[in-house]
Amino acid sequence: DQQVKQNSPSLSVQEGRISILNCDYTNSMFDYFLWYKKYPAEGPTFLISISSIKDKNEDGRFTVFLNKSAKHLSLHIVPSQPGDSAVYFCAASRKGVTGGGNKLTFGTGTQLKVEL
Amino acid sequence: EPEVTQTPSHQVTQMGQEVILRCVPISNHLYFYWYRQILGQKVEFLVSFYNNEISEKSEIFDDQFSVERPDGSNFTLKIRSTKLEDSAMYFCATTWDRSSETQYFGPGTRLLVL
Repeated sequence: DQQVKQNSPSLSVQEGRISILNCDYTNSMFDYFLWYKKYPAEGPTFLISISSIKDKNEDGRFTVFLNKSAKHLSLHIVPSQPGDSAVYFCAASRKGVTGGGNKLTFGTGTQLKVEL
Repeated sequence: EPEVTQTPSHQVTQMGQEVILRCVPISNHLYFYWYRQILGQKVEFLVSFYNNEISEKSEIFDDQFSVERPDGSNFTLKIRSTKLEDSAMYFCATTWDRSSETQYFGPGTRLLVL
């Protein structure tokens, strides 16, 4: 099941520069997208999200762009800081048909390393 | 800031034994989830739970798995007879409302089945 893909397993960026992490999806029913950051031995930490009715959402240094026609989203971090070094997961969800919550489908993650 | 907690942080068990993983959701949250991550693989959905019943479950969540909210606060995942391939990090996640798509994750329980 490869509904959400992150094709770059790793990315190295210099401090102060822009980090761009990419994510592709195949299921056109997805209507909400999230980015999570994960440190080793910790749970995923929510960073930023975007609804399918928007094409951009910004929160401080983090901006997520959504291109629905290309089924592609990206996370921009500007400026990158050493503390941003972690694994970044893209996740997607769709409104469930049941009365319960909406499961997240994750990508495989991209290891970001921000170097001094 | 409220957070999801999980116990134990690590569990080692023998194949065939039962394990119970515990999660304490954020207090006003109503929707609960379990996910797992096998080493080197992606985070995978196991089950969602709302109003004391399972809303959705994945193919992974077979008869060996069960969930419950025994006392109105803890949310547990039980694996009745563990297999080697159950070794993984298990994450609990919660959200307060179905319209809130953002799920908040606990730190995880690392389960090792020998």
